[in-house]
Amino acid sequence: DIQMTQSPSTLSASVGDRVTITCRASQSISSWLAWYQQKPGKAPKLLIYKVSNLESGVPSRFSGSGSGTEFSLTISSLQPDDFATYYCQQYKSYPWTFGQGTKVEIK
Amino acid sequence: ELQLVQSGAEVKKPGEALKISCKGSGHSFINYWIGWVRQMPGKGLEWMGVIYPNNSDIRYSPSLQGQVTISADKSISTAYLEWSSLKASDTAMYFCARRDWNSGRGTFDIWGQGTLVTVSS
Repeated sequence: DIQMTQSPSTLSASVGDRVTITCRASQSISSWLAWYQQKPGKAPKLLIYKVSNLESGVPSRFSGSGSGTEFSLTISSLQPDDFATYYCQQYKSYPWTFGQGTKVEIK
Repeated sequence: ELQLVQSGAEVKKPGEALKISCKGSGHSFINYWIGWVRQMPGKGLEWMGVIYPNNSDIRYSPSLQGQVTISADKSISTAYLEWSSLKASDTAMYFCARRDWNSGRGTFDIWGQGTLVTVSS
């Protein structure tokens, strides 16, 4: 299985901050990487697919980058609605695997 | 509106059987892979498997194969996740999701609202 490792596990930030979450794959996944946002009691929401493609309706303050084994999600100016948990996910090969999650908290 | 609607919360005893459902509407259900994702209390997301309802091709996570059964009834646009004998460790929220391969996303774009399964004696 391909292991996905996210860092940090928790991130404390203020409204307006620029935040970056990183995700490392245990082997190359080419561009088959997605990012999801999840709020308590809700289903995950697709933010970004194929590393850097913004899902329709997702604010442009979210962006993704990377290739091969190293990837990142950046929120350019954190908004109150962005406090949530974020997961990376590889879909290069089955079984698909998720990172352990990064919780973005209010500082 | 494209959506997946899951069956309601369940409370079961260890050893009991259970089948939960995920019904698609607003899109051509049989032409998309439907997956299941587990989230144990306070934990992260775990991919369980996917099914292609058009021909019932199924891929399971090796760690869960044999523990659950994924199926689908394309005539009613519904996918299922089934246990023959539940354990307390099956207590979790279960999400279904549509894999959008057709438009190029390649991953889960639409999710059900989740079904909470609680297994307790």
